[in-house]
Order: sequence, then structure tokens, then C-alpha cells
Amino acid sequence: DAGITQSPRHKVTETGTPVTLRCHQTENHRYMYWYRQDPGHGLRLIHYSYGVKDTDKGEVSDGYSVSRSKTEDFLLTLESATSSQTSVYFCAISPLAASTGELFFGEGSRLTVL
Amino acid sequence: KQEVTQIPAALSVPEGENLVLNCSFTDSAIYNLQWFRQDPGKGLTSLLLIQSSQREQTSGRLNASLDKSSGRSTLYIAASQPGDSATYLCAVRTNYGGATNKLIFGTGTLLAVQP
Repeated sequence: DAGITQSPRHKVTETGTPVTLRCHQTENHRYMYWYRQDPGHGLRLIHYSYGVKDTDKGEVSDGYSVSRSKTEDFLLTLESATSSQTSVYFCAISPLAASTGELFFGEGSRLTVL
Repeated sequence: KQEVTQIPAALSVPEGENLVLNCSFTDSAIYNLQWFRQDPGKGLTSLLLIQSSQREQTSGRLNASLDKSSGRSTLYIAASQPGDSATYLCAVRTNYGGATNKLIFGTGTLLAVQP
């Protein structure tokens, strides 16, 4: 199994509070991704990174920011959480060029915003 | 815009049966297609990756085929077992919006293999 650790695995928070989810990898892979999974919508890309300090938006990036200061860590931040951000968040990594690389996923972080 | 569809949404079969899961995509200009399984409350496990230049990939009892021209992929599971029960997802990588880093997912097929 690819060495991907997400933390926290479960979090309950209140509307308006900031939340940071962490993805840590031990594979030294270049590409890292954050997805959210919701019933009826499947998996949707929030942000991704193609190197240290190199990030770009996915299809549902509003309300989220990311940072990657080290190869092994990719942080997802909700500056002011809303109930619509209640979801399961998955981190994924890929070793090769984006057009050919296989994706490996973490176990997920379940976030509930009250 | 690339859209990925998986039919049926749910499937129940008796143990030992061979089965086929379907994945359709609207834009044939893909780089690759990947099949995953997801167990309840867990992350996605990669099963097979097919590059656009390939027709099929095999791993154990699993065989995935790709027909780009018709926008279809199938995942064949031989001699199904209760442990195969999970949600199966396909995803395509397309040069969508000028970036190749985006994997577009289907909504999955929930498979139940009855002992």
C-alpha cells in the first residue's frame, strides 16, 4: 500500500471556524491531490499540487486553499467552514507524469460542519 | 465536458458468477482510465490502470478492457467471491480545461456477491 496518512480522520466543527486537513506521504511522489466525495456527486477534485509550492485549482475549489511547503505534506484549509463543506475528503498521490500516472488514495477524513 | 457514467448503479450476484461492470465516457480523447474499488468507510484502492494506447489489462481474476472510439471500458470479474463486494469506480484522465492533472470519476457500481 502507498504510504499516505490523512489527519484528522474524523472532525466535527462549527460553522465559521477554520479547519486544516493534512495529507502526509512517505513515497516522495511529485503529484498530490485533494478530492471530496459526496452522495450523488462522486469524487470531485478540489486542488492539486505538481511540486513544492506549485498548486492549482480543481473543479470545486471555492472556499478552500492549499499549501505544499514540503514534498511529503499537502494541507487543505477551510478558512471559514460552512455546512456545505460537510463531506469525506480524500488525499491522493501519483508518482509519474500527470498524463500517465496511477493514483493512490488515503483512507479519507470525514468532516462534519454543524 | 467529459462525463463518466457507470451502469448499473447496483448489482447483486451469487458467489461464483462471472460478471461485467460498465463504464462509459463522452470524450474519447483520454490519456488513461483507472478502475478502483472502495469498501465502506475506506479509501479507494487502485485495481487496474489502462493507458490510452492499450486495449486491456489483467490482474488475477480481474480484466479491464478499453475501447476509446466507442467511449467504453468494462471490468470483468471472474468467479466472484463475497470479498469482492464493494463499490467499483472508474475514472478517466482527460486534458480537461487545459490541464492533464484532472481525473474525472464515475459515480460507481455497488456490487454485492451473495454467499
